[in-house]
Amino acid sequence: GQSLEQPSEVTAVEGAIVQINCTYQTSGFYGLSWYQQHDGGAPTFLSYNALDGLEETGRFSSFLSRSDSYGYLLLQELQMKDSASYFCAVRDGRRALTFGSGTRLQVQP
Amino acid sequence: EAGVTQFPSHSVIEKGQTVTLRCDPISGHDNLYWYRRVMGKEIKFLLHFVKESKQDESGMPNNRFLAERTGGTYSTLKVQPAELEDSGVYFCASSHSNTEAFFGQGTRLTVV
Repeated sequence: GQSLEQPSEVTAVEGAIVQINCTYQTSGFYGLSWYQQHDGGAPTFLSYNALDGLEETGRFSSFLSRSDSYGYLLLQELQMKDSASYFCAVRDGRRALTFGSGTRLQVQP
Repeated sequence: EAGVTQFPSHSVIEKGQTVTLRCDPISGHDNLYWYRRVMGKEIKFLLHFVKESKQDESGMPNNRFLAERTGGTYSTLKVQPAELEDSGVYFCASSHSNTEAFFGQGTRLTVV
């Protein structure tokens, strides 16, 4: 089966940098994605890594190490609006996304 | 371009009743997924359509749940009869590629 682990909560201050880690176990692997979900909203796509290394998109970066079954999401120059839940998700042999339990990020002034 | 739309946004029903959720994916997206988030826990996979065919329904909890995708366009998820533990937010997502899925706003189902 598939399982993903990520911290349940992270707190940081405005302007800081925060890293959300994700480790996974899956029978097949086609990539690691990150989604953001604000309370009451829809999960929205942030990034996707199929190969090892760092992908950068503005203030957000995502890293993948397939040999370690590990990835992280890096958020820089944190803003209050970044307070949300962040989910890592793997696309496995079924081609459907399997999500982690989510990390609730609280950005404080 | 219209996004993924779900109807209704909220539904409150009594235990034993039937509820049907609808999802309209982004036009042209062959892949359609149903997910459920219960009590702030993980977003759990229910099933995956490719066009009108069920690619994977391994996440469907039991035979009280029935999903259809007529003509490969919109999809419905019927819960009959509903139980208390079915409460949660049901998300639909669609995708064209394997890299990004677009989610609807979800249907918040409360069974009382």
